[in-house]
Amino acid sequence: DTGVSQNPRHKITKRGQNVTFRCDPISEHNRLYWYRQTLGQGPEFLTYFQNEAQLEKSRLLSDRFSAERPKGSFSTLEIQRTEQGDSAMYLCASSFSRTEAFFGQGTRLTVV
Amino acid sequence: RKEVEQDPGPFNVPEGATVAFNCTYSNSASQSFFWYRQDCRKEPKLLMSVYSSGNEDGRFTAQLNRASQYISLLIRDSKLSDSATYLCVVNNFGNEKLTFGTGTRLTIIP
Repeated sequence: DTGVSQNPRHKITKRGQNVTFRCDPISEHNRLYWYRQTLGQGPEFLTYFQNEAQLEKSRLLSDRFSAERPKGSFSTLEIQRTEQGDSAMYLCASSFSRTEAFFGQGTRLTVV
Repeated sequence: RKEVEQDPGPFNVPEGATVAFNCTYSNSASQSFFWYRQDCRKEPKLLMSVYSSGNEDGRFTAQLNRASQYISLLIRDSKLSDSATYLCVVNNFGNEKLTFGTGTRLTIIP
């Protein structure tokens, strides 16, 4: 399967702990997006990379959130000092320039 | 005002019927438009891109009205397997994020 891959698929963590998620995009795709989705809502933009450059970051993203794409390939999203409100599905998508984006299966985070 | 607005539904439609969804967007600079489909607890998947001249893919027809800033999706001869949430997506040049609507939930009833 050469689609977008996300790990882990599920993560349960205690409030206050740090978590890190990984996304491996489709190999020739230069753009990578992170979204967050809660029940009954559409995906909410978090941040976007073109190659290794982080070009945009949502104002919704607090200082506890950081994302990297060190070599323009895979990306990581870290959440520090997790809160219950961080519980959501975290989706990664990739695209080649302005073509359609393809999503991974997501990482479901539950903060207890 | 939200950048992309959709009627959340739910739409409960009998099998074989025709159903239409609309989506409005607020940024007149929007350049690319898509419809995605999302099944329960799954990731969104591209259903179709929306072109200025309108486009059709089997039972699905998408149209764009730039003057009124809305996009539509028409599903003809609906099937049980069409039950899903349909997400309207807009991409702006110069602001490359994909902006999603909240989605319209469709249930096809046997």
